[in-house]
Amino acid sequence: DSGVTQTPKHLITATGQRVTLRCSPRSGDLSVYWYQQSLDQGLQFLIQYYNGEERAKGNILERFSAQQFPDLHSELNLSSLELGDSALYFCASSVGGGNEKLFFGSGTQLSVL
Amino acid sequence: DQQVKQNSPSLSVQEGRISILNCDYTNSMFDYFLWYKKYPAEGPTFLISISSIKDKNEDGRFTVFLNKSAKHLSLHIVPSQPGDSAVYFCAASDSSLIYNQGGKLIFGQGTELSVKP
Repeated sequence: DSGVTQTPKHLITATGQRVTLRCSPRSGDLSVYWYQQSLDQGLQFLIQYYNGEERAKGNILERFSAQQFPDLHSELNLSSLELGDSALYFCASSVGGGNEKLFFGSGTQLSVL
Repeated sequence: DQQVKQNSPSLSVQEGRISILNCDYTNSMFDYFLWYKKYPAEGPTFLISISSIKDKNEDGRFTVFLNKSAKHLSLHIVPSQPGDSAVYFCAASDSSLIYNQGGKLIFGQGTELSVKP
């Protein structure tokens, strides 16, 4: 158990809909990272928050947004969903905002039908 | 643009033999490299890392080798065990980005290792 909690584990929705994925980092970790894993694409970095503020941005679509709350949990909002958004979404956390190793949750499997 | 590449989607080895997983990168600014292991229905877990000031780091059965001139790293598992069967991801980052752009790891596509008894 990494200590990072992601909910829900599975999500099935339709095109055009909006969903929210939730992540609770390990106790004491200030950084939260979101990654997307699609078939044959590896883990694509989406966005990082550090102590409530956006710190780094990757290949995140404009239809996607995220935030980190004062209690350090984070939410990833995906809107106007398309079939191609179906993927495994991972949240990870780390103590600082830099180069140290990340601790990953078990992911949310999103299926857009 | 795939900055970190794992060109072998899968690898099969016999129990007790050596497993060698390879990773290539294109960004010469990368100076910190990690390997993660992922079992089905679980998130990736950290395995071993190496800084660019070293060319080898060892932890038990796992050794990572870094060849900076070739922009290549490899993970050796000796001896391989059936419990090592998993997907292995290589990841890289640029330390100079930490303070103004945050730390972010760039991952490869993964190599699925199967260790047969």
